[in-house]
This record gives sequence, C-alpha cells and structure tokens, in this order.
Amino acid sequence: QSALTQAPSASGSPGQSVTISCTGTSSDVGGYNSVSWYQQHPGKAPKVMIYEVSKRPSGVPDRFSGSKSGNTASLTVSGLQAEDEADYFCSSYAGSNTVVFGGGTSLTVL
Amino acid sequence: QVQLQESGPGLVKPSETLSLTCTVSGGSISSYYWSWIRQPPGKGLEWLGYIYYTGSTNSNPSLKSRVTVSVDTSKKQVSLKVTTVTAADTAVYYCATTRLGYFSNGVFHHDMTFDYWGQGTPVTVSS
Repeated sequence: QSALTQAPSASGSPGQSVTISCTGTSSDVGGYNSVSWYQQHPGKAPKVMIYEVSKRPSGVPDRFSGSKSGNTASLTVSGLQAEDEADYFCSSYAGSNTVVFGGGTSLTVL
Repeated sequence: QVQLQESGPGLVKPSETLSLTCTVSGGSISSYYWSWIRQPPGKGLEWLGYIYYTGSTNSNPSLKSRVTVSVDTSKKQVSLKVTTVTAADTAVYYCATTRLGYFSNGVFHHDMTFDYWGQGTPVTVSS
C-alpha cells in the first residue's frame, strides 16, 4: 500500500472556491467509490466531511462537495470562510478491508 | 452520540511494546467496528487496524506482524499493542468508529469511513 498523493498546500480568498485533489491508483481510488475526506484543525481530531466520494454527513455545510474521475478524487470548498482553514486528508478503500490515506493538504484562507 | 477516550503511557522505550486503551461511552460497543489510526508529528494519517466486538480483526499489511487490536466488551474497551517500537512509532494515536460497508441491491459497497474519533493520545518513543 502506498499513500495517496495530495498537494502539500492550497489557498484561496474568502468567498472563493478551492479544489483539493487526491491521486491514487486503480487499486484504491479508481477501483472503488469509497473515498472520504477529513478536516483537521490544529491539535484536534480529524472530522469526516465527505464519504463515498460525494456524500456529506449530517451537519457538514453544503459548501463542501466531493467528486472523482478515474484515479483522482477531489474536494471542493465553495464560498471559503476563515474557519475552513485546516488540514484536509483523503482516504480510500484499498481492498481486503484496508484503507489508505493521503499525505494531507494544508488549506490557507488568505 | 458515541464518545471515545484513548489512554496509555505517553513515553515508551525503544524495542518495548506500546499499549493503549480506548474506552467507549454513549453507545454500544457492538454497534461499530473500531479502528486505531496514528499521526506522526507534522505528518499524515496511517490506519493501523480494526476490530469488531466478535473479535474479528484486520491490520495494515505494512505493520501486521507488530500490531494487535483486541476488545473487552464487558469493559467497553478496545486495545492496541505495537511491538518492538522505534522512534518512527512516535505519533498521536487515535481510536475511531469504522464503517466497513453495506449491502445494497445484493451488492456489497465497501466504505472504511471513520465517523467518530477520540481526542487522541500522544506517544513518544525514546530512551
């Protein structure tokens, strides 16, 4: 298992949209509709924002959306707000009831 | 809502065994699969393994020989052991509920989403 690939950083101004990508292989991201995204503020535990590629848990703002094309999944945050500044991690089912995470993207709201 | 609390030694010596406990409250231990996930300082997340209340377990292939996850249903606790630790095992360790998947129209949909997390417990490996 290799970690999924995420850009180390991303940024956007308040009100703008930003997209974070997560690239894997046909053995994980491309092979299953089982990608999740987690938001982590400093010193806090991760919080699930998206699961099964594009589903939002109750309570997550609809500003957060997910999609997938081939071996790459994406998280889009629309209408950026200051509280969206955090680290974002993707994960994917990787077969045999295992999961692999991405290295994380630090999102800065300018 | 289910709550999870990790506990255990914050300092472990190299070559020794790291042992942590996750105590579950506010929910039934039989309602979820339970995973351990760790995060080295300044780095990403790594899934270590999961267990169900029946004792069914699975572990990360890259760590399988060193990781043991167990459950005590009477105490509502899930435990983690990592043997022969090195500095590379220094991390914040989290326990989390895990959705393995579901059946829909006769097809099993895999998931592995982590819905509820503990606050995490830091562990340093150092002599």
